Amino acid sequence: EVQLVESGGGLIQPGGSLRLSCAASGFTVSSNYMSWVRQAPGKGLEWVSVIYSGGATNYADSVKGRFTISRDNSKNTLYLQMNSLRAEDTAVYYCATNFGYWGQGTLVTVSS
Amino acid sequence: DIVMTQTPLSLSVTPGQPASISCKSSQSLLYSDGKTYLYWYLQKPGQPPQLLIYEVSNRFSGVPDRFSGSGSGTDFTLKISRVEAEDVGVYYCMQNIQVPVTFGQGTRLEIK
Repeated sequence: EVQLVESGGGLIQPGGSLRLSCAASGFTVSSNYMSWVRQAPGKGLEWVSVIYSGGATNYADSVKGRFTISRDNSKNTLYLQMNSLRAEDTAVYYCATNFGYWGQGTLVTVSS
Repeated sequence: DIVMTQTPLSLSVTPGQPASISCKSSQSLLYSDGKTYLYWYLQKPGQPPQLLIYEVSNRFSGVPDRFSGSGSGTDFTLKISRVEAEDVGVYYCMQNIQVPVTFGQGTRLEIK
């Protein structure tokens, strides 16, 4: 059974950093393309980043240069390193595999 | 960026009646591999999005056959043949032909 469990969210001050994790089971992270999608409170879905099976990555313009997507094949885990956080980054962050299976999400709140 | 436009933005349906949601993309979603990268999701209250339809018309694992997708190029439709109470939530279309991946604004379905 495919499972994705996000963690690492929380309350952080503007300008701070957080690293989100997405622990996967039931499939191999490195063999699939993995994405982060976020949803601000009461808003729609916004794609954030993707890492392909070959390791190439892409980012939304809104996070380029501040966020980094990566994976640890030995831990079968996806990450999102978020630096220079802004109030507008406040959202539930979901990880997804091939856009088919999604985790339950982790809430990131950027506020002073 | 490809803009995804959904109509209507809200829908109120009597149980047992059909429902239809339209999604139009600003560019063709037909890729050179012959596939069309249009997806449909349902996000139930308090839950992550769940994939209903991928590549225009393929039902994802476990999705009831009352859900169907159709369309081509830039015009797509999600149909629910007989709405049930459990179908309440927000429906999103999404394109994955190019980055940034983009979503429609969402269509909220409620039961009369």
